[in-house]
Amino acid sequence: GEDVEQSLFLSVREGDSSVINCTYTDSSSTYLYWYKQEPGAGLQLLTYIFSNMDMKQDQRLTVLLNKKDKHLSLRIADTQTGDSAIYFCAETAGIYNQGGKLIFGQGTELSVKP
Amino acid sequence: EPEVTQTPSHQVTQMGQEVILRCVPISNHLYFYWYRQILGQKVEFLVSFYNNEISEKSEIFDDQFSVERPDGSNFTLKIRSTKLEDSAMYFCASSRTGNTEAFFGQGTRLTVV
Repeated sequence: GEDVEQSLFLSVREGDSSVINCTYTDSSSTYLYWYKQEPGAGLQLLTYIFSNMDMKQDQRLTVLLNKKDKHLSLRIADTQTGDSAIYFCAETAGIYNQGGKLIFGQGTELSVKP
Repeated sequence: EPEVTQTPSHQVTQMGQEVILRCVPISNHLYFYWYRQILGQKVEFLVSFYNNEISEKSEIFDDQFSVERPDGSNFTLKIRSTKLEDSAMYFCASSRTGNTEAFFGQGTRLTVV
C-alpha cells in the first residue's frame, strides 16, 4: 500500500543548512508536499512540487524530487531557531489520484541550536 | 489571508458521549477533509467530502463517524459513542479542487476520559 517514510530527528546549528529526507511508495502521486507543524499548532503548508519537476526553489526552501528512487528532500538554507518544528512529507493518493487524500510521513523533528 | 478555522480548539468528553467537531473551510473551496493525529503518530486520513457526499473514506472511518455540511459554510465531524482511543488531534482541511493543495486548520484536540 501507500507509505511515506521519514527520519524522526534532525539537529542543526543556526545558520547551517538543513536537509530533511522522505521516501514514498506511490509512483502515481501527482503532488508531493511539505508541511510544518510548530508545537501545539496546526499543519502549515510550506511548499509542494509537481511530480513532473525535479526541483523547486522558494526563498530559503529547495525541494528536490528523484522519481526514480521515490525520494523527496527539503533543504532549508540558513536555518534559524524559528525553523524548529516537525516537518511532514505527504504524497497525494486516492481513487482518482486527486490532491485530496494525502498520505503523511511520521514527521521529522528539526531542532535548531543557537 | 483566508484560512480554515476549527472549533473548539480543545474538547474533553466522557467515554460513550457524542462529540461534534466543527470546521469552516476556505470559502471558495469545494473539497473538504478530516484527518487525525494520535499523539506521537502519523497524521491519518479519515474522509474526503465533495458535492455533499463522501468521496473517499479510510478504514478508520467506520459507522461511529459521520460528516455533514449542514449549511454553506460549516463542515462537521460527528463521533458517536466516543472511546478512549479516539483521543487525538483532529484536523480539518479544504482544497479548491481535488487536484490542488489542501489547507489545514489549527486542529481540535479531543480528549476522551
